[in-house]
Amino acid sequence: EADIYQTPRYLVIGTGKKITLECSQTMGHDKMYWYQQDPGMELHLIHYSYGVNSTEKGDLSSESTVSRIRTEHFPLTLESARPSHTSQYLCASRGQNRDGMTPNQPQHFGDGTRLSIL
Amino acid sequence: AQSVSQHNHHVILSEAASLELGCNYSYGGTVNLFWYVQYPGQHLQLLLKYFSGDPLVKGIKGFEAEFIKSKFSFNLRKPSVQWSDTAEYFCAVRGGNKLTFGTGTQLKVEL
Repeated sequence: EADIYQTPRYLVIGTGKKITLECSQTMGHDKMYWYQQDPGMELHLIHYSYGVNSTEKGDLSSESTVSRIRTEHFPLTLESARPSHTSQYLCASRGQNRDGMTPNQPQHFGDGTRLSIL
Repeated sequence: AQSVSQHNHHVILSEAASLELGCNYSYGGTVNLFWYVQYPGQHLQLLLKYFSGDPLVKGIKGFEAEFIKSKFSFNLRKPSVQWSDTAEYFCAVRGGNKLTFGTGTQLKVEL
């Protein structure tokens, strides 16, 4: 059973609509990430957060925005969707070791959202 | 910038055959290495990881991987695959605080 949840799993929507992709984790992890993956391509980091009220852009430029008001919730928003936003979006989280240090902890991923903009 | 290369995009094997999936990375510093698996319709799951120590790492479901520093490689192996191993396999490298995934290898095991 997954500890990190993404909704919706699939979304097909028209151009110009505002979209919010939801991501929630129940593990109390401080670090959360959004990745984008096109078919046959590697994962690219688009946003990350190291805690509440902390958000940063990742390696791949994205027109999306994120927020982190609560530890467990990290939604991603597209204000006006375009066909170029069609992709798979993966959310992930990472916690701390028992000693409070963060190194050497792998990421836990959600099932992803497949987004198609018509 | 770090990068990860997985050489085989699609692999088809018969049950009981041996498996080796290649993974090479480029990064100048200390790395952590991972193999993830994604079964059809499911989310990514961690198979195994290497941080330090013995370069031969054993993971779940009979998988193992060997870190060869001189070759910048972290190949995944399994002596005898099963039909249930059909899935997509991702190699990942973390250098510094950045995690980079390869493009994945689709494995199909035939009965």
